[in-house]
Amino acid sequence: DAKTTQPPSMDCAEGRAANLPCNHSTISGNEYVYWYRQIHSQGPQYIIHGLKNNETNEMASLIITEDRKSSTLILPHATLRDTAVYYCIVRAILIKAAGNKLTFGGGTRVLVKP
Amino acid sequence: KAGVTQTPRYLIKTRGQQVTLSCSPISGHRSVSWYQQTPGQGLQFLFEYFSETQRNKGNFPGRFSGRQFSNSRSEMNVSTLELGDSALYLCASSWTPNTGELFFGEGSRLTVL
Repeated sequence: DAKTTQPPSMDCAEGRAANLPCNHSTISGNEYVYWYRQIHSQGPQYIIHGLKNNETNEMASLIITEDRKSSTLILPHATLRDTAVYYCIVRAILIKAAGNKLTFGGGTRVLVKP
Repeated sequence: KAGVTQTPRYLIKTRGQQVTLSCSPISGHRSVSWYQQTPGQGLQFLFEYFSETQRNKGNFPGRFSGRQFSNSRSEMNVSTLELGDSALYLCASSWTPNTGELFFGEGSRLTVL
């Protein structure tokens, strides 16, 4: 799976949008971008994933650049409960050998401040 | 709908002992994966099971093993515990063995003294 690079930490004001960048310049054509977050003392939580089109769900939006070398996770109205470590993961699917293995990097520690 | 359940949540062992951790996946999920999380190494993949068969294995020594039962419940075992095995062990389940959308439990925190 391709390697990802994320800033180690960032702060965000409560109620404002949080934009979390991720660089995956070596991504392959069959690799998707996944985002997870881990709130302190809990297991990681799936947020969203995408291939090349922008995606949106009830939690967040995912913007992937046209060349697919980077992406941004957007939390539209950050709350204190969004304070967590956010992981950007690139993973090939539809390849049997990939299984459900996820390669987590260091992630971005997001602190939402009142 | 119940989530992924891991037991025990906390346990303390001494070096040389062995430990067995249990994971009950979400009802209907047939794939179970295990991860180790430590402050130094972060989240690392241990192994994955589907239909009682190990499909994938991470880079861990043979002291780490697992199995899956016919009801999809899974256990992992660590033998001859070392201090470095102290970690949060996370279990994740999914419908199929080839999706990136995993549902994680809250983990079992193991302390080795």
